[in-house]
Amino acid sequence: AQTVTQSQPEMSVQEAETVTLSCTYDTSESDYYLFWYKQPPSRQMILVIRQEAYKQQNATENRFSVNFQKAAKSFSLKISDSQLGDAAMYFCAYRPTLFGNEKLTFGTGTRLTIIP
Amino acid sequence: DAMVIQNPRYQVTQFGKPVTLSCSQTLNHNVMYWYQQKSSQAPKLLFHYYDKDFNNEADTPDNFQSRRPNTSFCFLDIRSPGLGDAAMYLCATSKGRDRGETQYFGPGTRLLVL
Repeated sequence: AQTVTQSQPEMSVQEAETVTLSCTYDTSESDYYLFWYKQPPSRQMILVIRQEAYKQQNATENRFSVNFQKAAKSFSLKISDSQLGDAAMYFCAYRPTLFGNEKLTFGTGTRLTIIP
Repeated sequence: DAMVIQNPRYQVTQFGKPVTLSCSQTLNHNVMYWYQQKSSQAPKLLFHYYDKDFNNEADTPDNFQSRRPNTSFCFLDIRSPGLGDAAMYLCATSKGRDRGETQYFGPGTRLLVL
């Protein structure tokens, strides 16, 4: 069974600084997708960034980028120039590409606090 | 704006009293999902609909059922809520079942069981 582990329950960063959130996963599949979702307080979860395992290039979305290490099964999220609006719960998620398995498996999340 | 709407945002029910949570979407997406998220835990998929095709997760208790009368609406029915069913229930949609597709989430319904 696939598992996703986020070992940092809470993180904090000074506004305008850079922070990295960690995620590791366990799978026997060779192709899959990885996602980072953001859940602000009392608001809906939204997609931050996604990475397909077959693509070697790390995904980037504006201030958000990932460090995808397939062999190590590691998928960390780097947030540059942190802003107050980045404060949220961040979930790492995994989804296989096997037909018939549409399940999105989430980690337990990392609560990110931005210090003004 | 197109969105995923969940009502109510907070629901209080009594132990054993059936309760229904609702989700609607204006995205015209084919797939609708229900997740259970307990405090400090990861969201856990209960089931999903691909159009009218219902797909239950193997470990979803029989106490949980779902209905999708049309493309826009999906309901989560808890037949006899127990104290352990208190959680945030998240509805999500996606256009299709392609593995890389974005899932769009509603704000959730927090269920309290007394």
